[in-house]
Amino acid sequence: DVKVTQSSRYLVKRTGEKVFLECVQDMDHENMFWYRQDPGLGLRLIYFSYDVKMKEKGDIPEGYSVSREKKERFSLILESASTNQTSMYLCASSLAEFNEQFFGPGTRLTVL
Amino acid sequence: KQEVTQIPAALSVPEGENLVLNCSFTDSAIYNLQWFRQDPGKGLTSLLLIQSSQREQTSGRLNASLDKSSGRSTLYIAASQPGDSATYLCAVMNDYKLSFGAGTTVTVRA
Repeated sequence: DVKVTQSSRYLVKRTGEKVFLECVQDMDHENMFWYRQDPGLGLRLIYFSYDVKMKEKGDIPEGYSVSREKKERFSLILESASTNQTSMYLCASSLAEFNEQFFGPGTRLTVL
Repeated sequence: KQEVTQIPAALSVPEGENLVLNCSFTDSAIYNLQWFRQDPGKGLTSLLLIQSSQREQTSGRLNASLDKSSGRSTLYIAASQPGDSATYLCAVMNDYKLSFGAGTTVTVRA
């Protein structure tokens, strides 16, 4: 079974802090994705990566950056956290572009 | 821009009844459609993937149909159980990206 893990289930940070969310997949998948999920707005794509060191902006990349130094690991970085980045963050991976996406358990981030 | 709509937003049924969840999308040029389940506070679990060339896909008590030309998919869950209570999301893929519906929250009463 595909396993996607995220470094934290719950995280509380202060405004202005630099925040790292990490995601690891164990199935040698090419593609990895970061989404955020908010009530009334659904899931929205922040960034995705189709290869090591490659990244593409999703629909809402502002205020975020990503890093993919190894195939199995995809990190989401909030350079200076703000209260409007309080959300549920979900990581996903897929074998290739048009394949099934598998999700991690999510990280609920609260920015105070 | 792809718009995905799921109706109804919420559904409550007695145990044993069949569930019918609807999903519609505006741009029919999709590669595939995926149905997910989400339990409160948790991540998404993939249920079924239907390729654009397929009409339906089945897994156990779950059956999903796809009518690409009319922009519709339906997820059927047979003989519902209280453990089926969750939010069900559909997502369509265009241009390497998934667009999600808002979900249907299902409650199965024992």
